[in-house]
Amino acid sequence: KAGVTQTPRYLIKTRGQQVTLSCSPISGHRSVSWYQQTPGQGLQFLFEYFSETQRNKGNFPGRFSGRQFSNSRSEMNVSTLELGDSALYLCASSGTGVATNTGELFFGEGSRLTVL
Amino acid sequence: GQQVMQIPQYQHVQEGEDFTTYCNSSTTLSNIQWYKQRPGGHPVFLIQLVKSGEVKKQKRLTFQFGEAKKNSSLHITATQTTDVGTYFCASPPLNRDDKIIFGKGTRLHILP
Repeated sequence: KAGVTQTPRYLIKTRGQQVTLSCSPISGHRSVSWYQQTPGQGLQFLFEYFSETQRNKGNFPGRFSGRQFSNSRSEMNVSTLELGDSALYLCASSGTGVATNTGELFFGEGSRLTVL
Repeated sequence: GQQVMQIPQYQHVQEGEDFTTYCNSSTTLSNIQWYKQRPGGHPVFLIQLVKSGEVKKQKRLTFQFGEAKKNSSLHITATQTTDVGTYFCASPPLNRDDKIIFGKGTRLHILP
């Protein structure tokens, strides 16, 4: 069974630009959640999508958005990039979803974003 | 809001020594999960504890969930170099309005 695939793995952007990251979950998983990981703040929940609907959202500004397609693949977008957005962005898929309080999360390798 | 405090932040141990990381919450947790992230890697699920006072073992790893379901620990016996990484606890939400909370992790470094 293929794991969670995230693209791109690395990217460099400049302030003010926007970025789109992609996540393909494990086949059959309908939940995709996104996380920002930084050395100072650790792993922070961004949002979760289940069957194309956003189920929950973390405490991030509106510049962070996402969506999920009918094949469960998900994208997240960050607009008007700031230096502080430099981080490892991880997505995780789950059969039941974060919001259902059960089940493990399967993480992708992450997309490392550097904002200059 | 719900918070999960994880200590210590860093731990250096000699190979063969034991290691323990702790997660503490001010509120009752529905369950707790543990993940391991190797340097340069991504978090990998280790275990989920659900019941009050639950203890689970995976080879040299022992996981405990407190009686009050407010704390949890991960203990590694006789550490090996393969244990290097950051160990996170995670508290899944109690209801659909809550969010999953991760502890900040304990980074384990093994001295040969």
